[in-house]
Amino acid sequence: GAGVSQSPSNKVTEKGKDVELRCDPISGHTALYWYRQSLGQGLEFLIYFQGNSAPDKSGLPSDRFSAERTGGSVSTLTIQRTQQEDSAVYLCASSSGYSNEKLFFGSGTQLSVL
Amino acid sequence: SQQGEEDPQALSIQEGENATMNCSYKTSINNLQWYRQNSGRGLVHLILIRSNEREKHSGRLRVTLDTSKKSSSLLITASRAADTASYFCATALNAGGTSYGKLTFGQGTILTVHP
Repeated sequence: GAGVSQSPSNKVTEKGKDVELRCDPISGHTALYWYRQSLGQGLEFLIYFQGNSAPDKSGLPSDRFSAERTGGSVSTLTIQRTQQEDSAVYLCASSSGYSNEKLFFGSGTQLSVL
Repeated sequence: SQQGEEDPQALSIQEGENATMNCSYKTSINNLQWYRQNSGRGLVHLILIRSNEREKHSGRLRVTLDTSKKSSSLLITASRAADTASYFCATALNAGGTSYGKLTFGQGTILTVHP
């Protein structure tokens, strides 16, 4: 696609429910990243994919968070048993290769946990 | 924790004036990047400066990097109302030969340009 696409753009859920957030990176981009942005914490790195593997998961805040990537393309971030502190904007980004050059970001998913 | 610290946290200027934002960081870096964010959603890459560069220009943007002081500045010249946004610096660390886009972002500067 022309840009990084994320869905849904907004998600409201009840505490304790599971949510799935989707990211469709720019076609041909091998690297994919998830970040989280919240008022108190700023922009936080969550996980990095190179192809379908995740060599760096160091930013996932707890074992309730998981992510996968299939076909070297679409990625899904899953949050189980959501908590109110999970409320944030979840941003996906992709880049063309191994070097730490510029990232292309999607518009994010605003997650609100009630 | 945030690698980059930015100041000011907020900046309000008139159209036509220059805007300068500063960023400091703590560890050795591979490069430093500046991003812009409108309305709290997607970030847009503005400019990248490598650790062996001292100054870089792109249109109305000028970025400097002082690795001895671990600091960078972003200058926007002749600002426009459309420049109103949040601006973030982001550092890509030297990762012992493993380079990838794990960026550490600063807290950002909110720039408001009044017409």
